[in-house]
Amino acid sequence: DGGITQSPKYLFRKEGQNVTLSCEQNLNHDAMYWYRQDPGQGLRLIYYSQIVNDFQKGDIAEGYSVSREKKESFPLTVTSAQKNPTAFYLCASSSAEKLFFGSGTQLSVL
Amino acid sequence: KQEVTQIPAALSVPEGENLVLNCSFTDSAIYNLQWFRQDPGKGLTSLLLIQSSQREQTSGRLNASLDKSSGRSTLYIAASQPGDSATYLCAVSHSGGGADGLTFGKGTHLIIQP
Repeated sequence: DGGITQSPKYLFRKEGQNVTLSCEQNLNHDAMYWYRQDPGQGLRLIYYSQIVNDFQKGDIAEGYSVSREKKESFPLTVTSAQKNPTAFYLCASSSAEKLFFGSGTQLSVL
Repeated sequence: KQEVTQIPAALSVPEGENLVLNCSFTDSAIYNLQWFRQDPGKGLTSLLLIQSSQREQTSGRLNASLDKSSGRSTLYIAASQPGDSATYLCAVSHSGGGADGLTFGKGTHLIIQP
């Protein structure tokens, strides 16, 4: 089945630790996105990539990093510089104007 | 800066009722507007996309309207069912379709009582 796979579903981070969230798509989409969702809030854009080997900062990129070495993959690293990382993270890809989302990763701090 | 507001924040209605969810935006220079559904702990599913030149879109029991000049959109759900219970988010695009230009509302949490 075509779609977007995020892993893990739940992730715990210790203080000072970097963690990486995985996002893989088999939809052959060029564009991919990472959003952060806090309880009762709308989605906020962290990073996006329109093409392989290129990515751009979104509205809240500080404390995060990404790579786009393959069309299918767009991993997000939450670094120790992100002081409030607890949130629900959503990966998406797009074909023209329509967005397709993964099922999300809930990140919590130990 | 574009702001998107959704009213009400939460809504609970008996099964079978027709209902309307509201979305307003401050900058009318939008490219399109989308309505999404989100189930608890899940990603978003696109329901309807309305281009700025369109007035409405329909899919099954869902009808979305757009009044760009007044900065408003509504999502009408007919004959509501318990399976419609979810959070509904609207998002407006202020660029040529790329999701980097999307601004999301905070959503309306909908509960349909059996």
